Amino acid sequence: GQNIDQPTEMTATEGAIVQINCTYQTSGFNGLFWYQQHAGEAPTFLSYNVLDGLEEKGRFSSFLSRSKGYSYLLLKELQMKDSASYLCAVTDSGYALNFGKGTSLLVTP
Amino acid sequence: IAGITQAPTSQILAAGRRMTLRCTQDMRHNAMYWYRQDLGLGLRLIHYSNTAGTTGKGEVPDGYSVSRANTDDFPLTLASAVPSQTSVYFCASSDSSGADTQYFGPGTRLTVL
Repeated sequence: GQNIDQPTEMTATEGAIVQINCTYQTSGFNGLFWYQQHAGEAPTFLSYNVLDGLEEKGRFSSFLSRSKGYSYLLLKELQMKDSASYLCAVTDSGYALNFGKGTSLLVTP
Repeated sequence: IAGITQAPTSQILAAGRRMTLRCTQDMRHNAMYWYRQDLGLGLRLIHYSNTAGTTGKGEVPDGYSVSRANTDDFPLTLASAVPSQTSVYFCASSDSSGADTQYFGPGTRLTVL
């Protein structure tokens, strides 16, 4: 089975940097995804990590440590539109994603 | 390119009624999924299909059935709806099952009274 933990809520200021952590315990591992979901909308893909290290994509970066069962999503130069839920999801050797409960990020002026 | 479409957008349904949620993708993806999303519980997998003609059970399959007659369509049926099935339902697809990125439809908000 899978156990995926991430903080329920976070608040950060426009222009700042925020780090959203995700820890997981899995019987197998085939990659970790981060999705963004605005209220009332569908989740959209942000990043995928399967090897240890940092993946950078514009203002967003994602880090993975497989030995620690740990990932984080780093958002730089926060904008108001970044207010959303951020979902951590892990895939094992099977067929589908297992999602954490999501972190609701509020960006304030 | 539409991606993934779902219908209806929202529905209010009386308990005991039968309901089919429709999902269609035009990306020729092999794998398709149905999730439900409830406040405080996150996204949970109901059923999946690795390829046309095959289906499998996810984490919360009870009360739901699916079929995959062709690549594009993956309907989800509630045979006899109950209030606990009130949720937002998302269909998703990926090129193959496992580590490929999943793309989500816009969702169906279902209320069972």
